[in-house]
Order: sequence, then structure tokens, then C-alpha cells
Amino acid sequence: QITLKESGPTLVKPAETLTLTCTFSGFSLTTNGVGVGWIRQAPGKALEWLVFIYWDDDKRYSPSLKDRLTITKDTSKNQVVLTMTDMDPVDTGTYYCAHRRPIYGNWDTGDLDYWGQGTLVTVST
Amino acid sequence: EIVLTQSPATLSLSPGERATLSCRASQSVSSSLAWYQHKPGQAPRLLIYDATNRATGIPARFRGSGSGTDFTLTIVYLEPEDFAIYYCQQRGNRPVTFGLGTKLEI
Repeated sequence: QITLKESGPTLVKPAETLTLTCTFSGFSLTTNGVGVGWIRQAPGKALEWLVFIYWDDDKRYSPSLKDRLTITKDTSKNQVVLTMTDMDPVDTGTYYCAHRRPIYGNWDTGDLDYWGQGTLVTVST
Repeated sequence: EIVLTQSPATLSLSPGERATLSCRASQSVSSSLAWYQHKPGQAPRLLIYDATNRATGIPARFRGSGSGTDFTLTIVYLEPEDFAIYYCQQRGNRPVTFGLGTKLEI
């Protein structure tokens, strides 16, 4: 059974760096073809894909946010860590991590077959 | 990037009725479209991938159809647990994009 859970601060100040952790079980990020993604949703807005990270440490970032995002993995802990720099109130929203459905190839895209419940992040002074 | 337009924004139906949800892409995504169900406080759930394929454990009452730019999610017989928000998502072109959702309410 695949499960994922996001954790991190609920409140960050403008200009600060956000660090979120995704802890997962039921799969390994050392298995060929496996990927994990981050997606967010601002209030009243559409879901927005942020990044994928893969078993081979390949990383694919959203073009609009790539300068602010860094993703890493710790396979010994079954965790993926997302950092986002220079936070702004418009970055307020719910952040989700999800398991990418195994599709070999086309690594820039994908769909997500298992999601965490999300963590709400508010950016405010 | 590809814009996905979902309609209607809200759909009011009763259990036992048939629901038809639409997703239109601003350009062709071939069959690379997925549908998700989302209930407040829960993890989103993949229902349909590649336009027509039900994900693991998804009941047969959920049916996906379409290709190119026009897609439909049909719930042929609504159960009480089906009332939720439904999103479409394309993976045909980079970056991945989502629709704004259709709220299916009782």
C-alpha cells in the first residue's frame, strides 16, 4: 500500500525559504522508473505542478518556478525534500506530494496515482 | 502551456442520477488526460488515466472518454460518496496542467 505524507511549517514570512518533507511508504525511490512529484493549490486556483524527482536523481522543474525550487531525496529515510526560496503571499496554499504513475519515458510530465493529504502553508508577516 | 477548461463549474444532482463532466484543452493532448476526485481534507484520488483507463480499484461506474481536445468523465449512477470536486489534468505537453475543477454537489 502506497502512502505519502507532507510535513513542514504552516506559516512562513515573506522572503523566507520554505522547506517541506514528503515521507512515503509502499515503494522505493531506488526502483527503476519511480518518481515523486510536488503539486500545490492556492485558494481558489487550479492545482499547479511544481517538480518531479526520479529514482536516478533526475529532476524536472516547472519552468515558471525552477529558479526558486530545489528537490532532493533521501532514499534511506524514504523522504523527498522540497525547498522554495523567496516566499511571497501568493505562494500561500496547500502543498501535496504524490507518486508518479509509472510511465517509462516522457520524464517532463506524468500523472499521479497516489497523493498525500497535503499541508497548508500560509505566507504572511 | 495548455489550459484545461472544465464545465460546468458546479453540477447539482441526486444519488442515482448520471453525471457528465467536461474538460476541454486549449490544444491537443492526444489521450494523455487524467481525472481525479478530491474530497475536503483527503488526498486527491486518481480515477482515470490516459483518457479512458480506470485506475486501480476505481468502480466501473466511472467512465472516461475523449481524445485530442475534448474529454468527458461520466459517472453513470451516482452514489452518495461520489459528491466531491473533480479535476482533469494533462500530461501531453510540458508543463503538466490541471483544470479548475467541477464541484459535484447534492
